[in-house]
Amino acid sequence: GDSVTQTEGLVTVTEGLPVKLNCTYQTTYLTIAFFWYVQYLNEAPQVLLKSSTDNKRTEHQGFHATLHKSSSSFHLQKSSAQLSDSALYYCALGGTNAYKVIFGKGTHLHVLP
Amino acid sequence: NAGVIQTPRHKVTGKGQEATLWCEPISGHSAVFWYRQTIVQGLEFLTYFRNQAPIDDSGMPKERFSAQMPNQSHSTLKIQSTQPQDSAVYLCASSRTGTSAETLYFGSGTRLTVL
Repeated sequence: GDSVTQTEGLVTVTEGLPVKLNCTYQTTYLTIAFFWYVQYLNEAPQVLLKSSTDNKRTEHQGFHATLHKSSSSFHLQKSSAQLSDSALYYCALGGTNAYKVIFGKGTHLHVLP
Repeated sequence: NAGVIQTPRHKVTGKGQEATLWCEPISGHSAVFWYRQTIVQGLEFLTYFRNQAPIDDSGMPKERFSAQMPNQSHSTLKIQSTQPQDSAVYLCASSRTGTSAETLYFGSGTRLTVL
């Protein structure tokens, strides 16, 4: 079946250091799109990044991710974590021929001063 | 554009009572989704409407949960005879046409606590 795997439930990093949140997937969806959603405390989840192009780097708010279909991955990275990046991050995939978004279980990012 | 609006933000019920949660999607969006969010399960799909019609309610616990979309500007999720295990954040989301390749726009959710 279709699935998204986020291996870490919690990632803790010191401010200013790089951070990487892992995301791998399995899907039968055609023409797939990948998302990272971020949810700050007591707020709505909101899209952070979206990509559907293999091997193309997508950037927003200092974060970047590259879809690699060869390894079925869409990892989220940032070169220098900020305290304000502390949040819950969901990796997700969708397809033009489906309505159900497949979400990973989420990764809490905790940035320490 | 006010985004997706969910009310109430918090609801506390006693075991066995009924809870009704409200969602106003973004104007012009034809698709509405309901999700349940818990620490253990993450985001669980509950139900999906397109152009107000119920398309998929496969995630809904059948006996006590029901959802409606009586008009294009609001949807409700009703939980009858609430149980402590129903405690969660219930999120509503809308999208322009309903294909999962589109961005979902979420409301801030209703935190339901069942005592």
